[in-house]
Amino acid sequence: DIQMTQSPSSLSASVGDRVTITCRASQSISRSLNWYQHKSGKAPKLLIYATSSLQSGVPSRFTGSGSGTDFTLTISSLQPEDSATYYCQQSYSNLYSFGQGTKLEIK
Amino acid sequence: EVQLLESGGGLVEPGGSLRLSCAGSGFTFSTYDMSWVRQAPGKGLEWVSGISGSGGSTYYADSVNGRFTLSRDNSESTLYLQMNSLTAEDTAVYYCAKVGTTWPEHFPHWGQGTLVTVSP
Repeated sequence: DIQMTQSPSSLSASVGDRVTITCRASQSISRSLNWYQHKSGKAPKLLIYATSSLQSGVPSRFTGSGSGTDFTLTISSLQPEDSATYYCQQSYSNLYSFGQGTKLEIK
Repeated sequence: EVQLLESGGGLVEPGGSLRLSCAGSGFTFSTYDMSWVRQAPGKGLEWVSGISGSGGSTYYADSVNGRFTLSRDNSESTLYLQMNSLTAEDTAVYYCAKVGTTWPEHFPHWGQGTLVTVSP
């Protein structure tokens, strides 16, 4: 099975900051990597699919990059509504898997 | 508009069974692979199981393999997750999710979730 490891597990940043979350796969997953935002009590929200494609309706401050085993999600200018937990997810294998999550707090 | 509506959650004793349902609307149900994803209290998202559009292929996480069975009734646009031999570790909010229209697969559509609590 493919293991996904995110770092950091949590971070705190200020409005306007540039934030980067990394995700590492235990084996190459090509570009089959998606990013989700999850707020308590709500359904997860797809932000980025296929490593770098922005989901419709998602603000352009969210960008994704990477390939193979190493991927990043960047928020270019943090906004108060970005407070949430972020997850990467691989769809390279039929047995999908998520990273453990990165909890983002706004200072 | 794509809508996914889960039902069937509730309180069940350890060792018991429960069947979750997910009714889809706003899309051609049989065309799309579907999955269940869960979140245990204080934990992260965990992919549980997936099924092809035809229902001919199913996939399970190791944590539920042999205890959970995923199926679908395309004539009723409904996904089912039969959960047997439940333990406290299965306590979670369970979400059904529909894949997008392009490859590689991703989940742009989610239900609101249904809570399963396994407790004596």
